Amino acid sequence: DAGVTQSPTHLIKTRGQQVTLRCSPKSGHDTVSWYQQALGQGPQFIFQYYEEEERQRGNFPDRFSGHQFPNYSSELNVNALLLGDSALYLCASSLNLRDTPNTEAFFGQGTRLTVV
Amino acid sequence: AQRVTQPEKLLSVFKGAPVELKCNYSYSGSPELFWYVQYSRQRLQLLLRHISRESIKGFTADLNKGETSFHLKKPFAQEEDSAMYYCALTRWDNNNDMRFGAGTRLTVKP
Repeated sequence: DAGVTQSPTHLIKTRGQQVTLRCSPKSGHDTVSWYQQALGQGPQFIFQYYEEEERQRGNFPDRFSGHQFPNYSSELNVNALLLGDSALYLCASSLNLRDTPNTEAFFGQGTRLTVV
Repeated sequence: AQRVTQPEKLLSVFKGAPVELKCNYSYSGSPELFWYVQYSRQRLQLLLRHISRESIKGFTADLNKGETSFHLKKPFAQEEDSAMYYCALTRWDNNNDMRFGAGTRLTVKP
């Protein structure tokens, strides 16, 4: 099991462009969460997907959207990129809490996005 | 509002010395607290969680609800403990929204 895999590992985009980041969860996991980690900060929760729907959302604008596919993989889309969107984007997968209380979240290596 | 504070960005100790990484939180309900660790060039991984009451790699953490703290401790630090440590919090019945502190970089010197 490769664990949580994210692609690409690095990305450079121009201000105003759109970007799509991808995440494959750990085998057997059905819940995917996305986090933004700015330099020198801890990860900040963006949103979580379960059963192909956004279940909860952090304090991020609508420019940040996502999707979950039937195979549980997920995408994070960011529109109208700003310089401040430059960060490490982390994906974490877990089992659904209702079915598996106290489930552990496993993190991917992240995608480093640079907006210029 | 949920908030996690790690007051030390950097912490340096000598091998064999005790180490304590501080974590304070603010939360109105019943929190679940975690410590995550990130070793050099590796992904973020769970070190321990307060409900497990385990000792992982010699580390322990006690939840002090009165002081709203969850400090991470190890009596004898090892060089391989050098890493970035993050304290995190969720609601006990909802792990959807995990709040992280800014992290403490621990360096254990030989």
